[in-house]
Amino acid sequence: GNSVTQMEGPVTLSEEAFLTINCTYTATGYPSLFWYVQYPGEGLQLLLKATKADDKGSNKGFEATYRKETTSFHLEKGSVQVSDSAVYFCALTDTSGTYKYIFGTGTRLKVLA
Amino acid sequence: NAGVTQTPKFQVLKTGQSMTLQCAQDMNHEYMSWYRQDPGMGLRLIHYSVGAGITDQGEVPNGYNVSRSTTEDFPLRLLSAAPSQTSVYFCASSNGRGTEAFFGQGTRLTVV
Repeated sequence: GNSVTQMEGPVTLSEEAFLTINCTYTATGYPSLFWYVQYPGEGLQLLLKATKADDKGSNKGFEATYRKETTSFHLEKGSVQVSDSAVYFCALTDTSGTYKYIFGTGTRLKVLA
Repeated sequence: NAGVTQTPKFQVLKTGQSMTLQCAQDMNHEYMSWYRQDPGMGLRLIHYSVGAGITDQGEVPNGYNVSRSTTEDFPLRLLSAAPSQTSVYFCASSNGRGTEAFFGQGTRLTVV
């Protein structure tokens, strides 16, 4: 079945450091890929998405490129801020004809001033 | 615009009690789902619905019931609460395959 694997955290960075959170997936067909962010005490919010191979999603300085050849969707940001501290989830839409979403286990990011 | 609204935000139950978590969306989305979030396990799908009158089980359905009588509402019922159901519950909705899901703020449930 379809699945998502993302790097375990926590990830601790200093402000203005470069961020990469790895995400790889297993899926038949062509799923849509997402990154969601969860701030403390809140629900998940869509950060960015990509719907086909080679698409680049971007938002708030974050970027991720849909790489079908490596089945990856790594999240990057050139210069993190303290306000980026949150849990980040990689997800995909199930390709078996349902409306399901499959989530990774989440990666906690802590940015220090 | 409200989006997805969940109530209550916090709840404490005693083992064996029952309760209903409410979820409503105002975006006319066909697809709604319930997830539970536990440390180190990400989000696991409990039940989902692809439209009014249609529901199906996700990966962890035991101990939970759902119904979908309207497009807007998708309540989750705990039949007889157990400590293993202590978790944070999220409701989500979307309008089709390949599109993003919108999440509620979550319900933090503790079963003692």
